[in-house]
Amino acid sequence: GQQLNQSPQSMFIQEGEDVSMNCTSSSIFNTWLWYKQDPGEGPVLLIALYKAGELTSNGRLTAQFGITRKDSFLNISASIPSDVGIYFCAGSTEYNNNDMRFGAGTRLTVKP
Amino acid sequence: NAGVTQTPKFRILKIGQSMTLQCAQDMNHNYMYWYRQDPGMGLKLIYYSVGAGITDKGEVPNGYNVSRSTTEDFPLRLELAAPSQTSVYFCATIKGAEAFFGQGTRLTVV
Repeated sequence: GQQLNQSPQSMFIQEGEDVSMNCTSSSIFNTWLWYKQDPGEGPVLLIALYKAGELTSNGRLTAQFGITRKDSFLNISASIPSDVGIYFCAGSTEYNNNDMRFGAGTRLTVKP
Repeated sequence: NAGVTQTPKFRILKIGQSMTLQCAQDMNHNYMYWYRQDPGMGLKLIYYSVGAGITDKGEVPNGYNVSRSTTEDFPLRLELAAPSQTSVYFCATIKGAEAFFGQGTRLTVV
């Protein structure tokens, strides 16, 4: 099946620092999505990307859909304590738009 | 507007027991999904449905069954629980590219 490799697995940063995480895939993706999961909750959508090269921002978050359609990154600028959580990349491939796959997640800890 | 509602929130099963995880949505979305999340891992797709009466296997369907008799409900059935099915289960609906998740069911099989 389609494999999503997300890195890093975890990050420990100081409040105010910028963060970058990325996902790569063995297959071409039609959409790339970034979700955040707070403890005890389901993931919530942060940013959706629909075409290669697309760069989209949502407040302090910026994400890009890679030109090859096999990768995406998420940047968080000027981190704050409430950024703590698990960030997941997700996407669906050109073979089956109904089959959304998730990366293993990046666990972010922000020290005040 | 409740969104996606999962019940129960927690459950402990003995090996070999069966149970049904309930999922209901009030958003009138056609697409519904079941994922499992193992500790420290991402979400793995178990089954999905593109509409009432239609279901398809995802990445890890073995040991599970689903049905979709109505748009609103998408129950997940475990027939013979095994320790490997200890996980947190999330139900989701998807409209466009955005997934809306329930709060999860934490299942432990002992």
